[in-house]
Amino acid sequence: DAKTTQPPSMDCAEGRAANLPCNHSTISGNEYVYWYRQIHSQGPQYIIHGLKNNETNEMASLIITEDRKSSTLILPHATLRDTAVYYCIASNTGTASKLTFGTGTRLQVTL
Amino acid sequence: KAGVTQTPRYLIKTRGQQVTLSCSPISGHRSVSWYQQTPGQGLQFLFEYFSETQRNKGNFPGRFSGRQFSNSRSEMNVSTLELGDSALYLCASSQGTAQETQYFGPGTRLLVL
Repeated sequence: DAKTTQPPSMDCAEGRAANLPCNHSTISGNEYVYWYRQIHSQGPQYIIHGLKNNETNEMASLIITEDRKSSTLILPHATLRDTAVYYCIASNTGTASKLTFGTGTRLQVTL
Repeated sequence: KAGVTQTPRYLIKTRGQQVTLSCSPISGHRSVSWYQQTPGQGLQFLFEYFSETQRNKGNFPGRFSGRQFSNSRSEMNVSTLELGDSALYLCASSQGTAQETQYFGPGTRLLVL
């Protein structure tokens, strides 16, 4: 799996958009970008994933650059309940069931 | 649909004992993966079972083992517990086909004294 790099921590004011970056400069053509988050001591929660097109669901939007070397997870209106560690993972078909988690970004949403 | 369930949620054992953790996947899911999470090493993949067979394995010693039953429920076993085995053990399920999203359970927190 390609290595991903994320900032260790970020702050965001409640109600504002949270933009979480991820660098995956060595990603290969068949690797998807997955985002999970983990709220304190709970199991990771799936957020969104994509290959090369931008994706949106009820939780977030995923913007992947054209060269696929980086991506941004956008939480459009962050709330206090979005405070969590966010993991960006590159995974291909053969490794989708054995995710390699990095250290993630600790997002703190404040009033 | 009910989510992934894990039992027990909390467990305290002493060094040298063994422990068995259980995971019930989402209905219809055939793949179950296990992960260990510790403050020092983060989230690490242990192994994956699909249709009662171990399909992938992480880099853990043989003290860590697992199995899967015909109803897709899975158990993992850790023998001869060490202090360093204290961790949150997570299981995740998916349908098991290519590029399937994994859904995680709440975890079992194991404390080894």
